[in-house]
Amino acid sequence: AQKVTQAQTEISVVEKEDVTLDCVYETRDTTYYLFWYKQPPSGELVFLIRRNSFDEQNEISGRYSWNFQKSTSSFNFTITASQVVDSAVYFCALSEAAGGTSYGKLTFGQGTILTVHP
Amino acid sequence: DTEVTQTPKHLVMGMTNKKSLKCEQHMGHRAMYWYKQKAKKPPELMFVYSYEKLSINESVPSRFSPECPNSSLLNLHLHALQPEDSALYLCASSQDFGTSVPSYNEQFFGPGTRLTVL
Repeated sequence: AQKVTQAQTEISVVEKEDVTLDCVYETRDTTYYLFWYKQPPSGELVFLIRRNSFDEQNEISGRYSWNFQKSTSSFNFTITASQVVDSAVYFCALSEAAGGTSYGKLTFGQGTILTVHP
Repeated sequence: DTEVTQTPKHLVMGMTNKKSLKCEQHMGHRAMYWYKQKAKKPPELMFVYSYEKLSINESVPSRFSPECPNSSLLNLHLHALQPEDSALYLCASSQDFGTSVPSYNEQFFGPGTRLTVL
């Protein structure tokens, strides 16, 4: 069975600080996908990124960056120079590729509540 | 256009009422999903439709009845709900379900319907 752990329940930072959200996953499949979603107070889950298990290249998008380490089964998310608008719940999720026992389903972590204070 | 729309935004219903939640996407996606999310918890998968056929029912009680009239529309019919069914109901869509094409597994979520059962 697959599992996603986000050990940080809540993080509070002051604007302009850098913050890293941790995500550790477990799966028996060799091919899988990892995702990050943002859920602001309005409720909608906003897709941020997908990473394939066979592509360990890290990615940067503006103030956001992701570090995928297959050796430690981690997919961490860093926000540089945080802003108040970054305040939200962030979910890490995992899905197996076709043929896996839970293929297609998203397994979510418990989420990390990020609060950025002005 | 990466938009999934849901109506209504809020719904209050009694335990004897019958109501429906609606979801629509115009991205040409062939997979659509219903999730239930309780406060401070991750979304829980309820149903998956793939090519207008029900692919997954996560042992959801029969008082929830999904319907997929066409590839763009997804309904959730509600009848005889319990107060513990109060939650945020999220609809999502993806290009396909459980495929080996990585980008096809990206799920895009609507803003949700906040349901209160009295």
